[in-house]
Amino acid sequence: QTVVTQEPSFSVSPGGTVTLTCGLSSGSVSTSYYPSWYQQTPGQAPRTLIYTTNTRSSRVPDRFSGSILGNKAALTITGAQADDESDYYCVLYMGSGISVFGGGTKLTVL
Amino acid sequence: QVQLQESGPGLVKPSETLSLTCTVSGGSLSSYFWSWIRQPPGKGLDWIGNIYYSGSTNYNPSLKSRVTISVDTSKNQFSLKLSSVTAADTAVYYCARAESHGLWYFDYWGQGTLVTVSS
Repeated sequence: QTVVTQEPSFSVSPGGTVTLTCGLSSGSVSTSYYPSWYQQTPGQAPRTLIYTTNTRSSRVPDRFSGSILGNKAALTITGAQADDESDYYCVLYMGSGISVFGGGTKLTVL
Repeated sequence: QVQLQESGPGLVKPSETLSLTCTVSGGSLSSYFWSWIRQPPGKGLDWIGNIYYSGSTNYNPSLKSRVTISVDTSKNQFSLKLSSVTAADTAVYYCARAESHGLWYFDYWGQGTLVTVSS
């Protein structure tokens, strides 16, 4: 079964830049997987940040951006703020209506 | 504004069937995929499956033998049944809409409902 990989944890200083990645256990991530990114704080439902690799969802600040870096999808936060401290999940579309979530990255801002 | 709301029992006994319903308001079920996603306590999100408004389904292979998703367009609802549950099925269950018109992502989410499997 396909495994979508993410860094388990990451830390960034306030005002700093961090790039989280989303890969495949076998193969490369491309735009054909329609990578999307979600932010989740404790006790809350996920919030859609980025879809179709690099399109920001409505009301998402432009400090969040998505891209393909090498063989992975990437979420970059430029100018991190304290309230960016959250869990971040990527989703890859495998075709035929099937989605796979990555394991999530816990981002600490300190 | 599309809104989704999960409903169903918060406690299910082991070996029984978990049943949840998602009610959609502010929009029609037409032309979208409707998904169930779960999150065990302290763990990550896991896609369970989805249903197109017309009734065709797709399931996570790891759960496929136990999952049934159905749709009732007259009530603007879709439902999840998970059979033979164990403690490992304890999780917050979310329903979500999948935007699939030339792209694919979850654009609207319910608030989630905690289901505990325990005797």
